[in-house]
Amino acid sequence: SQKIEQNSEALNIQEGKTATLTCNYTNYSPAYLQWYRQDPGRGPVFLLLIRENEKEKRKERLKVTFDTTLKQSLFHITASQPADSATYLCALVRGQNFVFGPGTRLSVLP
Amino acid sequence: DAGVIQSPRHEVTEMGQEVTLRCKPISGHNSLFWYRQTMMRGLELLIYFNNNVPIDDSGMPEDRFSAKMPNASFSTLKIQPSEPRDSAVYFCASSPGLAGEQFFGPGTRLTVL
Repeated sequence: SQKIEQNSEALNIQEGKTATLTCNYTNYSPAYLQWYRQDPGRGPVFLLLIRENEKEKRKERLKVTFDTTLKQSLFHITASQPADSATYLCALVRGQNFVFGPGTRLSVLP
Repeated sequence: DAGVIQSPRHEVTEMGQEVTLRCKPISGHNSLFWYRQTMMRGLELLIYFNNNVPIDDSGMPEDRFSAKMPNASFSTLKIQPSEPRDSAVYFCASSPGLAGEQFFGPGTRLTVL
């Protein structure tokens, strides 16, 4: 069966450092992958999308990589700020199949 | 646009009662998704519609759950009868396409006593 894992339930880093979140999957071949941010008491908010034929995507301080051989996506936040503290979810998509990972709770400490 | 609108925001009911959750998608979006989120199971896709037609309801946990989309601007998720294990946050999301980015509503927090 399909399985999606995101690195540790929680990740603490110091302000100004780069946060790196991972999304690993098995028994799945997504056409593309999306990353979302979720704050407490709110719905997820879309951040970035990367297709299976793309290696890397950037948006301001965010960078996503996608390695279909390793079946892994990395999500980087550079120059992290306390305002980046939230839960980050990856979502795998192929056709009409949409599956979310369990999420990683990121805390950026001042 | 106001974004995806869900009502009610909070619902507390007793076991056995019927619960109806409502969603108004973003105008112009032709795909609508219903999700359930719990600490134990994370965010689970229940059902999605494309152009008001249900495409895949394999995520609906039981026959007690049903969803409708009578028109492009309204959808309901109904649980009858409700059970304590249905307690969760239910999200509705819409998208301009089936595989595009999804815009989530604020969610409905359901508590079944």
